[in-house]
Amino acid sequence: DIQMTQSPSSLSASVGDRVTITCRASENIRRYLNWYQHTPGKAPKVLIFGASTLHSGVPSRFSGSGSGTDFTLTISSLQPEDFATYYCQQSYDTPPGTFGQGTKLEIK
Amino acid sequence: QEHLQESGPGLVKPSETLSLTCSVSSGSISNTNYYWGWIRHPPGKGLEWIGSIYYSGETYYNPSLKSRVTMSLDTSKNQFSLKLRSVTAADTAQYFCASSTRYTILYWGLGTLVTVSS
Repeated sequence: DIQMTQSPSSLSASVGDRVTITCRASENIRRYLNWYQHTPGKAPKVLIFGASTLHSGVPSRFSGSGSGTDFTLTISSLQPEDFATYYCQQSYDTPPGTFGQGTKLEIK
Repeated sequence: QEHLQESGPGLVKPSETLSLTCSVSSGSISNTNYYWGWIRHPPGKGLEWIGSIYYSGETYYNPSLKSRVTMSLDTSKNQFSLKLRSVTAADTAQYFCASSTRYTILYWGLGTLVTVSS
């Protein structure tokens, strides 16, 4: 079973900051990695798929990189609506599969 | 764009079976491009993928839940279902149904809260 580990588990930042979240897979998942944003009371939504491809309608301040076992999600300049919980998810071995434990991004 | 809506009891007793249905509109569950799945969000914890089912009936389950989960399709009603047996308080969660490609979850229902309690 592929395990996904995110860090940090929580993060405090200010509007305008640049933040990076990392995700590590327990084995090589090539580029089968998605990032989702989850705001309380709403359904999660996909931000990035295939490790680095921005989903339609997602602002360009979001970017993803990585391959193999190590991946990052970067938000270049935080906006108020970006304070949420972010999850990585691998889709290498199952359609689609396991999530990381989440990174809660809070306002400093 | 797919629209999905979960339905089912909001309260289930310990040791019983949790049963949820997802109704799909604006599309067919026989669409060969999509997988249909369930994800849950326990209070204070992260998202947990439960499993997915393809139009052919092929299923993929989270190994940690596999022994208790069954997913199925009802093409006549354009619905798919989840059954989770022998529930405990740890199964209390917001349950989401979703549609995905082989690789990415694209559309989600709004979720339904299921509480396990006597």
